[in-house]
Amino acid sequence: GAVVSQHPSWVICKSGTSVKIECRSLDFQATTMFWYRQFPKQSLMLMATSNEGSKATYEQGVEKDKFLINHASLTLSTLTVTSAHPEDSSFYICSATKTGYEQYFGPGTRLTVT
Amino acid sequence: GEDVEQSLFLSVREGDSSVINCTYTDSSSTYLYWYKQEPGAGLQLLTYIFSNMDMKQDQRLTVLLNKKDKHLSLRIADTQTGDSAIYFCAWANSGATNKLIFGTGTLLAVQP
Repeated sequence: GAVVSQHPSWVICKSGTSVKIECRSLDFQATTMFWYRQFPKQSLMLMATSNEGSKATYEQGVEKDKFLINHASLTLSTLTVTSAHPEDSSFYICSATKTGYEQYFGPGTRLTVT
Repeated sequence: GEDVEQSLFLSVREGDSSVINCTYTDSSSTYLYWYKQEPGAGLQLLTYIFSNMDMKQDQRLTVLLNKKDKHLSLRIADTQTGDSAIYFCAWANSGATNKLIFGTGTLLAVQP
C-alpha cells in the first residue's frame, strides 16, 4: 500500500505557457500532500504543504501566484506552474501522508521549459 | 538553523557493508528517515527511527542514532549493485506540518 502517482512524468512546454502537474494517492487518503522541487544533483526543496479543502502553505521564497496548488480531494493535489520560464525547469516531486509521520513520494515530473 | 549534512559520495565493492552518515543541527526532530532515490525517480522510504531510539534494524539495514552528537547513520549489509543510488537522510520537525528537511544526499556506487 501507500502508492503515489504523478502525471505527467515528463513535460516540455514553451516559455510563457502554464503547466499542470497532478499528484494522486492511489490506495490511501492523504491528510496532507507536499510539493518539492529538485535541481540536478541537489537535494529536495520543500515548496509548499497542502491540506484538502484549505489553502496551501508556501515556504519562504516560493511565489504563490506562480506555483498554484489546489488540493481538491483527499487523493488529488495539483501544482500549476503559471507563465513558465526556463529557470522553472526542474524535477517536481510530490509526497503524501496519511499518518503525518510517513511521507510517500511520487515518481516525480520533469519539467523542461524552452 | 535547519542544516543536514551528508558526505557526497561513497564507493564500495559488492558484498561489503556500506555506511552512510548524516549530521543535523536541529535537536527538536521527532522522526529521522532514510530515503533512496534512483536516477530519474522519486524517493523510496527505506526506514525511519523515532528520536527516542538508538538503533533500528530492518533486514539488511541498520540505523544508528547518536542524539548527543546529532549523528545518524545507515548501514547496508551485503551491499548489492541494485543498492547504487542517492541516499537522503531527512528529519521531521515536531510542528503540525510535519514537513521534512532533507540532507544533501550521498551517492552510493557499488562496484561489482
